[in-house]
Amino acid sequence: SAVISQKPSRDICQRGTSLTIQCQVDSQVTMMFWYRQQPGQSLTLIATANQGSEATYESGFVIDKFPISRPNLTFSTLTVSNMSPEDSSIYLCSVEHYHEPGDTQYFGPGTRLTVL
Amino acid sequence: AQSVTQLGSHVSVSEGALVLLRCNYSSSVPPYLFWYVQYPNQGLQLLLKYTTGATLVKGINGFEAEFKKSETSFHLTKPSAHMSDAAEYFCAVSDRGGSTLGRLYFGRGTQLTVWP
Repeated sequence: SAVISQKPSRDICQRGTSLTIQCQVDSQVTMMFWYRQQPGQSLTLIATANQGSEATYESGFVIDKFPISRPNLTFSTLTVSNMSPEDSSIYLCSVEHYHEPGDTQYFGPGTRLTVL
Repeated sequence: AQSVTQLGSHVSVSEGALVLLRCNYSSSVPPYLFWYVQYPNQGLQLLLKYTTGATLVKGINGFEAEFKKSETSFHLTKPSAHMSDAAEYFCAVSDRGGSTLGRLYFGRGTQLTVWP
């Protein structure tokens, strides 16, 4: 498995502002993913963070709203831009190890975002 | 694309009773299957997974699940519930790195309550 940390763990933000969430892994991983979990809901994949190239976004999510960076094999950031109360969610990053087959993903502790 | 159905958004059992959380999937190919647990205010923790081999898989905390291809099911069980098992449980499937490499499809989750 992997040890995954996220910063911040929680934040309360004003509408119209932006927040950048960091995801750090203690080992090199092939795939990194960003999910959103709205209150009382399941997980929705936002995008796959690719090292050295642009992220791959799922339907309904765009780069202008959720820009993602992945400068190396252990780190990624997700920015939630121009926030509105509808962006209040838990944002989770997950990783997949190249040496562990079967698409197994390990999750970070999440970032709880409240937008006022 | 895959889809995952978790029957019962809420399940309540008494301490010591059998826990059964149901998961059915639809897939064009035999998928990889996962159960994750989410404790309050935490990220997701991998309970167990099925990739290949024995269809009965054992996970952490005394949980196990059985892959039944004929029924397209992967139900989660535990013989005797403990108060500490109270959490949200998510079933997930992947398409074995097909056209959507590494993508996990999650069910809507089942909230398990354990009564003393």
